[in-house]
Amino acid sequence: RKEVEQDPGPFNVPEGATVAFNCTYSNSASQSFFWYRQDCRKEPKLLMSVYSSGNEDGRFTAQLNRASQYISLLIRDSKLSDSATYLCAVNKGNTDKLIFGTGTRLQVFP
Amino acid sequence: SQTIHQWPATLVQPVGSPLSLECTVEGTSNPNLYWYRQAAGRGLQLLFYSVGIGQISSEVPQNLSASRPQDRQFILSSKKLLLSDSGFYLCAWSVSGTGELFFGEGSRLTVL
Repeated sequence: RKEVEQDPGPFNVPEGATVAFNCTYSNSASQSFFWYRQDCRKEPKLLMSVYSSGNEDGRFTAQLNRASQYISLLIRDSKLSDSATYLCAVNKGNTDKLIFGTGTRLQVFP
Repeated sequence: SQTIHQWPATLVQPVGSPLSLECTVEGTSNPNLYWYRQAAGRGLQLLFYSVGIGQISSEVPQNLSASRPQDRQFILSSKKLLLSDSGFYLCAWSVSGTGELFFGEGSRLTVL
């Protein structure tokens, strides 16, 4: 089993739609969870950290489910500019090393 | 504010040639530093991790090496490149204990 797994997609959604991605992780000792956004041929950029209580930043909501070992990202009112690959990242055990999923590609169409 | 610089941005190298990629961070002290590689259509693979000068952890056996000669400088090297070394190399930094990584703009390597 991979340490961090994501559905590669692509998710093709119309503007204004709500879309959700999940990411599962295998190491129950992991404590830090993140979502990154990566545009084509660019570096990943931190989108948001995922806290135990869940957190929201505008149209983006991140949740953590420790019991089932997954994190989720919800995007409301999708914009064309949301089209990108979304990577989840989980720290390795008790270290600062981040393990990334292979990413979920989102394509928002008019 | 903190910034990270990575170079060169693009390079094409023949098989068997050496490699040197450099990364520097500004605006912070004693950062954790990382080298990742992203092969075409694949995820980010952690190659090296450093918590301080001269302290390098290699995550996977490979044809590459890393060095940290100064607190905010991280170098990725190879003596002889292989075709399989092609990919998008990303340097990143974090503040110890926070887990949040911030990436440089990346170096795209093509080995022919």
